[in-house]
Amino acid sequence: GAVVSQHPSRVICKSGTSVKIECRSLDFQATTMFWYRQFPKQSLMLMATSNEGSKATYEQGVEKDKFLINHASLTLSTLTVTSAHPEDSSFYICSARVWGRANDGYTFGSGTRLTVV
Amino acid sequence: SQELEQSPQSLIVQEGKNLTINCTSSKTLYGLYWYKQKYGEGLIFLMMLQKGGEEKSHEKITAKLDEKKQQSSLHITASQPSHAGIYLCGADLLGPGSARQLTFGSGTQLTVLP
Repeated sequence: GAVVSQHPSRVICKSGTSVKIECRSLDFQATTMFWYRQFPKQSLMLMATSNEGSKATYEQGVEKDKFLINHASLTLSTLTVTSAHPEDSSFYICSARVWGRANDGYTFGSGTRLTVV
Repeated sequence: SQELEQSPQSLIVQEGKNLTINCTSSKTLYGLYWYKQKYGEGLIFLMMLQKGGEEKSHEKITAKLDEKKQQSSLHITASQPSHAGIYLCGADLLGPGSARQLTFGSGTQLTVLP
């Protein structure tokens, strides 16, 4: 249980275009989702926290206008990379906090590898 | 993250050897998570520790959390090539907005030589 489905798994886009990444909680309601970015040979860096029905909270140094986060329902959060550039190429992964299960914790999507050409 | 220090950054061991990865937080943790990953792939959950002094084992991997809940170690006994990958510790901490969030250490790249 507590599965987060993330799509797409891989995407290649042209510089200047926008890309949307979706994360859905399949069997639970996620009031909060976390978005991470990972560059090669580096760890996961928290970009922002999305809250259902309210504005996302962005970490220092993350551009709000470039990384648009929408959490319109209890089961869906989206990250849109606007006007993507090659330096935005990275691995993006979402996570949701799971409460009240046998093992409270965080469950992760399978990640999206974005390549901007 | 400066809140979470993970060491070593890289580890190369001979198959069959034991190894330890450490994770130290500057703050008391609500919980400490250990994951394994290959870059560009999802995270594989290994273990979660919540109580001070807690120790958990799964197959040849043992994780411990100290009594103060600020330090954790991951120990692999008799390492195998299948253990190779990136090991990440994640600290369940209060974020700037006083909401809990998972913050990761820098990761440890483990190579096991056959």
